[in-house]
Parts: sequence; structure tokens; C-alpha cells
Amino acid sequence: DIVMTQSPLSLPVTPGEPASISCRSSQSLLHSDGKDYLTWYLQKPGKSPQLLIYLASTRASGVPDRFSGSGSGTVFTLKISRVEAEDVGVYYCMEGLQTPYTFGLGTKLEIK
Amino acid sequence: QVHVVESGGGVVQPGRSLRLSCVASGFDFRNYGMHWVRQAPGKGLEWVAVISSDGNKKKFVDSVDGRFTISRDNSKNIVYLHMNSLRVEDTGLYYCAKGNRGSGFDYWGQGTLVTVSS
Repeated sequence: DIVMTQSPLSLPVTPGEPASISCRSSQSLLHSDGKDYLTWYLQKPGKSPQLLIYLASTRASGVPDRFSGSGSGTVFTLKISRVEAEDVGVYYCMEGLQTPYTFGLGTKLEIK
Repeated sequence: QVHVVESGGGVVQPGRSLRLSCVASGFDFRNYGMHWVRQAPGKGLEWVAVISSDGNKKKFVDSVDGRFTISRDNSKNIVYLHMNSLRVEDTGLYYCAKGNRGSGFDYWGQGTLVTVSS
């Protein structure tokens, strides 16, 4: 199984400031089709997870452009250009290359 | 718009069975794979199972393989998760999620809670 490692696990951020979350996979998520099968989700408090980014860098429908994903192979990053209060919650990366799909432990973003 | 609604959770003793249902609407159900993802209380997300759009391909996480089965009825837009030989560690909130063509899961239900306890 692919192991997904996120850092940091806790991320206090001042509103308006940028934030960055790292995700590393134990093996490359680059498929032979040239795409990286890495997705990012946000689970807001008391809510179901929501898709933010898929294929490492494609924003899902309705996701604000302050969210961006980058990386390839085994190293990926989620960036929030200017954090807003509504961004609090736990962010998860997940590999979608092979089953069993595996998630990182999550990064809890909180507002300072 | 897309809706995914799970049901069937409850409290069950170890070793017993439970069947979860997931009703979907707002998209062409027969063209998408469907997944189950669970979350133990206070813990992170764990992918559990997937069924292909035509129901012919099924995959499971090792911890449930052989105990859980997944099926779908494309005429009714329903996915089922049949859980047998339940264990205490199967306790959690079970989400049904629609597969996204570009990988990942783009729509999730609100979850149904399964509690395995004697």
C-alpha cells in the first residue's frame, strides 16, 4: 500500500496570510498517462469531506482560486494564498493511483 | 444538483451483519464508480471499497476484504455495502462518495454511523 505523509499536522494561520501543506507519497503517483493521481480534500468541522484539488493541480468545481495544488511524483503541496476564516478544518491528501486508496493523517488548519 | 444519501447504520454486536445503502441523484449514475469511505470517531479517513460503473469490478481495503461486499442497482441509483462479521474496529461514520472522472471523489453523502459494540 502507498503511504501518504502530511506535514505539518497542525497549522495555525492568521487571516489574510498564506498557508502551505506538504504531502509525500511512498511511491510515485505519476501514471503512465502523464498524470499524477493525487487529490486534496477539506473536511470542515462537523461536515463531510469536500474535493478541493484532483490530479495534483486541477481545482474542483466551485473551489476558490486562492487554493492551488502543485507537485509531481512523490512530493505535493497545497497552498492557500490568503487564508480566510471559512478555510478552517482538516485537509487530507489522498493517492488515487492504486487501490487501496490511502489518505494522509490530515492537517488541521486553525485561525490564530 | 447531485445528492448522495446514506442509510442503514446502527448499533450492532460483534460478529453480526449490517447493510448500508446509498441513494444517488442528479447525475448519470450508471456511468460512475461509487466508493465507500469511513471515519472512526475522532480519526482520519479510510477508503473502504469501490464498485465500477457496471458493477463488474470491486475492490476492498484488506481489513474488510472477505467480510464486506459491495453491489449496485443501476435501475434504482443505489449502492449497497454489505458488512458481515463486524468487528469493534469497524465502528465509524461511513460515507458514500461518487467517483470523479479525474480521480478522487467529488460528491459525498452526510454519512451513516455504524457502532459495533457488545
